[in-house]
Amino acid sequence: QKEVEQNSGPLSVPEGAIASLNCTYSDRGSQSFFWYRQYSGKSPELIMSIYSNGDKEDGRFTAQLNKASQYVSLLIRDSQPSDSATYLCAVNVNTDKLIFGTGTRLQVFP
Amino acid sequence: DAGITQSPRHKVTETGTPVTLRCHQTENHRYMYWYRQDPGHGLRLIHYSYGVKDTDKGEVSDGYSVSRSKTEDFLLTLESATSSQTSVYFCAIMSATGDSPLHFGNGTRLTVT
Repeated sequence: QKEVEQNSGPLSVPEGAIASLNCTYSDRGSQSFFWYRQYSGKSPELIMSIYSNGDKEDGRFTAQLNKASQYVSLLIRDSQPSDSATYLCAVNVNTDKLIFGTGTRLQVFP
Repeated sequence: DAGITQSPRHKVTETGTPVTLRCHQTENHRYMYWYRQDPGHGLRLIHYSYGVKDTDKGEVSDGYSVSRSKTEDFLLTLESATSSQTSVYFCAIMSATGDSPLHFGNGTRLTVT
């Protein structure tokens, strides 16, 4: 069973701090990795994708990938209360399917 | 939501009745997916389609069937609904394989009483 693991949280950080979200995966053949944000009662929305080892930055978001360690992370700088949501890590398997972790709930308090 | 419409948005049905959920896309994407989302389990793949009349099972396919007669429509059928199928169902589309992300519809909340 190919798996994607995330800490369910909640991860609580103060406004303005850096939030660090982590994800591990079991399939060494995975090549594509995604982070989705999901507000309560809403559908998941894509915020970051990463395909090669290293860091990828987009605004306040940085995705980090380490294929040797089978580890993906998402950093949110200058966290805002509006960032409070559940963050889902997704990993491709067999090139045409994505497997999701159970998500980490982030709470940003003023 | 990337041109994806799910219907109905909410449905309450009784145990043993058949239920069909519809996903309609306007993006002409090849791949379409049905996921269910439950507390503690996250998003789990039910079935997916890689073209008209081409479908395959996901990790939780028991009790579900799908059909895709047109590129734009992907139907999920619960042949005889059970209470364990109470969930939020999401349809998603993907333009190509491998490095493409999924884009999700707004979801259907199904309650089986």
